[in-house]
Amino acid sequence: EEELVESGGGLAQPGTSLRLSCTASGFVFGDHAMHWVRQVPGKGLEWVSSITRNSGVTNYADSLRGRLTISRDNAKNSLYLHMRSLRPEDTAFYFCAREGIYRDFNLWGRGTLVTVSS
Amino acid sequence: SYELTQPPSVSIYPGQTASIFCSGDKLGDRFVAWYHQKAGQSPALVIYQDSKRPSGIPERFSGSNSGNTATLTISGTQAMDEGSYYCQMWDSSTSPPAWVFGGGTTLTVL
Repeated sequence: EEELVESGGGLAQPGTSLRLSCTASGFVFGDHAMHWVRQVPGKGLEWVSSITRNSGVTNYADSLRGRLTISRDNAKNSLYLHMRSLRPEDTAFYFCAREGIYRDFNLWGRGTLVTVSS
Repeated sequence: SYELTQPPSVSIYPGQTASIFCSGDKLGDRFVAWYHQKAGQSPALVIYQDSKRPSGIPERFSGSNSGNTATLTISGTQAMDEGSYYCQMWDSSTSPPAWVFGGGTTLTVL
């Protein structure tokens, strides 16, 4: 069964950093571009970042560029998101998602909750 | 930046046909995907490439996209179809490109 499992969320102080991880199984991880999408509890979906299959190209949402670094390790079937200078408005569920051929998201993880609060 | 607009809510009786609209400038020139998110769950792809259904998605889900509006249609709506629906497209007109979601529509089955 194809699966994505996120981890690394939790309570963080404003101004600190956090690294989220996403572990893939059931498919050839290195064959797919990958993304992070976030959702403030009770609100809509917001695309955060993407990385190509070989890590050659990374993209970030304009509002978050400069505070994030997306990376991946295909040998470990893993995707990462390093978040810096965390703000209360970064509080959200963070989902990793697999990109489909038509630039959609055809597999989602269950998400990990990041809470930024003092 | 590109914006996708959805109605906040749609209510429907079981068995009826629900239509959820997503509007954006020349949206018909882009591919649109739709996601269903049930309460407490992660989103799931129900339509891609405007009108294609992934494996396992019931035939009652269909999609279209023309002009400035994409439409998700649910025929014979069932209670299990309740939840939020999001449209999404890839904006390649910007540099760098960006993936865009609509604000979401909450479907209530009365």
